[in-house]
Parts: sequence; C-alpha cells; structure tokens
Amino acid sequence: GGIITQTPKFLIGQEGQKLTLKCQQNFNHDTMYWYRQDSGKGLRLIYYSITENDLQKGDLSEGYDASREKKSSFSLTVTSAQKNEMAVFLCASSIFQGGNTEVFFGKGTRLTVV
Amino acid sequence: SQLAEENLWALSVHEGESVTVNCSYKTSITALQWYRQKSGEGPAQLILIRSNEREKRNGRLRATLDTSSQSSSLSITATRCEDTAVYFCATDAGSNNRIFFGDGTQLVVKP
Repeated sequence: GGIITQTPKFLIGQEGQKLTLKCQQNFNHDTMYWYRQDSGKGLRLIYYSITENDLQKGDLSEGYDASREKKSSFSLTVTSAQKNEMAVFLCASSIFQGGNTEVFFGKGTRLTVV
Repeated sequence: SQLAEENLWALSVHEGESVTVNCSYKTSITALQWYRQKSGEGPAQLILIRSNEREKRNGRLRATLDTSSQSSSLSITATRCEDTAVYFCATDAGSNNRIFFGDGTQLVVKP
C-alpha cells in the first residue's frame, strides 16, 4: 500500500497572500490531482498532472498555479488568497487498470484566510 | 459535477437500519464508482461497478447500476455509527485520468 501526505494540515493566511500547499505520494502513480472542497460541498478539480512536468487545468484553475517537479510530488499555489477561499484542499493520485481509474486521496489541507 | 449527482443532500438513520443512497448520471460510462469520506479524511473508494454489471457487493454494501435509466444506488445494511460519512458517486468513462464526482450525500447514523 501507499500513502498521500499533504503539508501543512492547517494553513492560515492573510488576504492577498501567496500560499503554497504540498503533496507527496509513494504509490508511484503517474497522475496526481488537486481538488477543492468547500464546507458541506462536493469536490471541484483545480489542476491535474499526468506525468512529471505536465499540468492540466481543471474546472477551477483561476487563481491557482500548480507544479509537478517530480513524479512523487505535486504542489499547489494560491496566488492571492481571498476570504471566500476558505476550504479543504485535497490532493490525490490515481491508478488506471482494467480500463478504469481509481483515485486515492490525502487527508487534506484546511485553509483559513483572515 | 453535473455528470453525476446524488439525489439527496442528507440522510439520517438509526443504527441497525438499512439505508440507500441514489445517484443519477448524464454521460456514457464504463463504470460507476462509490466513494466514502469520513470526517477529517479524504474520500476512499468503496465499490466499482462496471457498465456490464447490474449488482456488486462488498460486505454490508450493495451497489446497483441501471444503465438504461442512468442511475445507481448504494445500499448499506445493518448500519453502524462509523458508517456516518459523505457518500459520493463518480462516473468513469474509461479514459485515463478523470472521473467525475457528484456533490455527495451526507449520511448520519444515530445510536
């Protein structure tokens, strides 16, 4: 088995600040994702990456940058934190086998903007 | 995502009762997946049911799939307090990399 580690677990930032969230996986999966989950809501895809140095925009990429420096790590930058951005950010990786994709998630980084 | 959606935002049952969460979807799929997210954790896959399957079981869980009506259900029998979680359905079109999650149904199991 493997694990997805997100750091930090809690992040407090000031409005307008640039903030970086980090994610590491030891599954050796090719594809990694960043999702945003607002309180009581579903998952919205921000960015994903199918291999090292690849980036694909999701449905909610505006206001964010991402970087896939190596296969095992995927970071997300909030370019200018806004108060309505308080949410949990979930990192994930996936395996494609038997014609289907299974997604594995980390425990999340909870962002609070003050 | 509009490609998949659970039919109810929240459900509440008492321990020991059975419960069913429903999902409808709007796209061609090769499989429908169910995930569970407990408080403070990320979602985790429970069941994957392929488009040529009508039913899949995993312990106390039973998923059904009706491709003609584009709907799926997840039933939990003999519920326990630890089943309290958000349940998501997700459509899988068989293309590498993307599955599409619904908004989730919050299930609360009371003692």
